[in-house]
Amino acid sequence: QSALTQPPSASGSPGQSVTISCTGTSSDVGAYNYVSWYQQHPGRAPKIMIYEVSKRPSGMGVPDRFSGSKSGNTASLTVSGLQAEDEADYYCGSYAGSNTYVFGTGTKVTVL
Amino acid sequence: VQLVESGGGLVQPGGSLRLSCAASGFTFSTYWMYWVRQAPGKGLVWVSGINSDESSTAYADSVKGRFTISRDNAKSTLYLQMNRLRAEDTALYYCVRGYSTGPGGYWGQGTLVTVSS
Repeated sequence: QSALTQPPSASGSPGQSVTISCTGTSSDVGAYNYVSWYQQHPGRAPKIMIYEVSKRPSGMGVPDRFSGSKSGNTASLTVSGLQAEDEADYYCGSYAGSNTYVFGTGTKVTVL
Repeated sequence: VQLVESGGGLVQPGGSLRLSCAASGFTFSTYWMYWVRQAPGKGLVWVSGINSDESSTAYADSVKGRFTISRDNAKSTLYLQMNRLRAEDTALYYCVRGYSTGPGGYWGQGTLVTVSS
């Protein structure tokens, strides 16, 4: 149950795109299409942004600027058209078999 | 949907605590439920999960054998019994409703557990 690997930080100017990677193994990210992404603002509880690799949850107010993908053992979150309110910590998470789950190490996104 | 955690506090190493999570606004008995923790200034860590009828539970290796997750569907309440607590268990503990295959849609505000002498 090792944490998935994310870059510590990422940044972009307003209107630009930023992509965050999430690298796991053939036992978690590579084995299942059950990768989720979460956004967490300081002092707040996390919010799910993407589930099942690329789906946006209904009724959660997630803008279509957020998109997800996966290739092999690495999943990615892309935020297009960056806005100031996108500045937050982002975590990936993956089903890891036998009803267990693992989160990523987290990425701090800064809007320049 | 509301999830309200309680039961956190200061406890000495080796001690025990029982966390509770009161759920409302949805049919509690039909969802997987999870505990996720976050140490101060650190990342999210999945702790445990339980299915809707309590027939299946799962734990992170770091808490297996020390923590027990359970639920009372009649009371719409999730529990986490934590025994043999260690300093590294110090964290904000979130109660989370399941979404797809994992924690997701709704999170409580967390209850803080501090393990220190």
